[in-house]
Amino acid sequence: QKEVEQNSGPLSVPEGAIASLNCTYSDRGSQSFFWYRQYSGKSPELIMFIYSNGDKEDGRFTAQLNKASQYVSLLIRDSQPSDSATYLCAVKMDTGRRALTFGSGTRLQVQP
Amino acid sequence: NAGVTQTPKFRILKIGQSMTLQCTQDMNHNYMYWYRQDPGMGLKLIYYSVGAGITDKGEVPNGYNVSRSTTEDFPLRLELAAPSQTSVYFCASTRRGMLSGGAGSYEQYFGPGTRLTVT
Repeated sequence: QKEVEQNSGPLSVPEGAIASLNCTYSDRGSQSFFWYRQYSGKSPELIMFIYSNGDKEDGRFTAQLNKASQYVSLLIRDSQPSDSATYLCAVKMDTGRRALTFGSGTRLQVQP
Repeated sequence: NAGVTQTPKFRILKIGQSMTLQCTQDMNHNYMYWYRQDPGMGLKLIYYSVGAGITDKGEVPNGYNVSRSTTEDFPLRLELAAPSQTSVYFCASTRRGMLSGGAGSYEQYFGPGTRLTVT
């Protein structure tokens, strides 16, 4: 089982729709969760982070965390073609390593 | 601030050659990281450093070496390059590092990447 798992996609949504990106993780002791956006040929950039169960909203983005189910998601409301990118889920696992573990990413395509 | 800078942007190596990928940050961050990203894949941690003089292995350290003599610089050395090391390499830094259970932001700033081909 992969430590951080994401559907590779592509996830295709029409402009203006809600895009829902999902991530599961294997370490039940994980505490910190991050979503990065990566445009083709570019470096990742942080969109959101979440530490507590529930929802966290920032503009058009909402991160949702359910530690009991070991599940974190990212919702993008009113999706725009400029949101088309690969979205990487990253988790700080409860190990001695002071680094994040990344999923392989979900490619999102927003159709105009 | 320039943020995190990496050189070179592109490089082609022959099998068995060696090279150093440079990474510099001007944000006085104490934690620095090296990742590799293969096509269609996520980021794999190679090495990281929590401060000058301190380094530790990540998930895929074989074939690489690092050093951290200053806060600003974290070079990655490839010895005896192999085709399996063809990848895009990203350097990143954070101010506080990835502490478990912490509050606040642990945003990782990434450099623009180095695209390396070994043939």
